[in-house]
Amino acid sequence: DAGVTQSPTHLIKTRGQQVTLRCSPKSGHDTVSWYQQALGQGPQFIFQYYEEEERQRGNFPDRFSGHQFPNYSSELNVNALLLGDSALYLCASSLFWGKLLTQYFGPGTRLLVL
Amino acid sequence: AQKVTQAQTEISVVEKEDVTLDCVYETRDTTYYLFWYKQPPSGELVFLIRRNSFDEQNEISGRYSWNFQKSTSSFNFTITASQVVDSAVYFCALSEDGANSKLTFGKGITLSVRP
Repeated sequence: DAGVTQSPTHLIKTRGQQVTLRCSPKSGHDTVSWYQQALGQGPQFIFQYYEEEERQRGNFPDRFSGHQFPNYSSELNVNALLLGDSALYLCASSLFWGKLLTQYFGPGTRLLVL
Repeated sequence: AQKVTQAQTEISVVEKEDVTLDCVYETRDTTYYLFWYKQPPSGELVFLIRRNSFDEQNEISGRYSWNFQKSTSSFNFTITASQVVDSAVYFCALSEDGANSKLTFGKGITLSVRP
């Protein structure tokens, strides 16, 4: 049973560039959530996708956008990168109608913006 | 608005000591979900436990136990006879819309267990 996978594992970009991160949910899950974890902080919710639509969004600017594909995998796009976007980006998958079912996290992508 | 406070930032213990990690939460909802996650140096968040607000039973799993008290809005985590492998960052989290929805995390507690 494959767990949540994310790619790439590490990424280095420069200010102003754009980046795309990818996530494949756990087998059987249909919902993907993205979190940003700055160094020394707890993860912060960015948004959640279900049925290829953004269902919930945290307090992040429009530079952060996402997409979900028919196979439930998801991408996180960040435009006009800032130094402050350097963080660990975590993807979590779950079942949309499974209110009592826990979401599971992937290993994350470490983004460094220079 | 939902909020999770983990007042302890770093805890250091010697192996075999018991240690309790504190978590205090705030929510206006009557139905909510509380979680503990472990984050080893590799970075992946490992799920440890979920507690629903309507189930106040405390739980024990091996060396781990959790004490949920609605009266004080606390959900504390105790590791008995700590081991070096318990060294990690531990996060408490809260969800109001379901265990599958937006999680609000505390800042985490770094636990170091020395041999």
